[in-house]
Amino acid sequence: ETGVTQSPTHLIKTRGQQVTLRCSSQSGHNTVSWYQQALGQGPQFIFQYYREEENGRGNFPPRFSGLQFPNYSSELNVNALELDDSALYLCASNGQGAGANVLTFGAGSRLTVL
Amino acid sequence: QQPVQSPQAVILREGEDAVINCSSSKALYSVHWYRQKHGEAPVFLMILLKGGEQKGHEKISASFNEKKQQSSLYLTASQLSYSGTYFCGTLGGTGNQFYFGTGTSLTVIP
Repeated sequence: ETGVTQSPTHLIKTRGQQVTLRCSSQSGHNTVSWYQQALGQGPQFIFQYYREEENGRGNFPPRFSGLQFPNYSSELNVNALELDDSALYLCASNGQGAGANVLTFGAGSRLTVL
Repeated sequence: QQPVQSPQAVILREGEDAVINCSSSKALYSVHWYRQKHGEAPVFLMILLKGGEQKGHEKISASFNEKKQQSSLYLTASQLSYSGTYFCGTLGGTGNQFYFGTGTSLTVIP
């Protein structure tokens, strides 16, 4: 059983640029959620995707957008990057049944905006 | 809606015990506990679903008081491997949004 994989692991962008982060969910999991974790803080919910539809969104502006594909993998896109977007971006997947509420996290993509 | 944890940080010597508390201003129907080691992804420890329920994972156990909207994590005879940041969390909002607590940094020293 493969876990959640994210790419890239690290990247550096400049203010105003756009970035796409990718996530492959754990085998058998059909729900993907994205979190932003600033240094020294807890992860903050960005949004969740279920069956290719956004299924909940946290307090993030529209320049944060996402996609989920038929194979349940997902992308997080951030436009017009700001310095405060520098953070670790975590992807988590969960499935159905007994383990539906258990999140399995990827190792994250660390974004630095200069 | 973010749960509040206390203490913010704690340093223990190997073999000592610790308690981490989590409280919410909103009604809690379930509480999750995760541990995140430095530079790594959060890892699921346990979930508590019923008021008063207790669970254990290795020498780590937890309780959940639904009426008080509180949960506590108990670490017994701590080991070096217990070091990390512990987060409680709860589901809420639409689409099963997961809200992490403020976090507690635990450091176990020899």
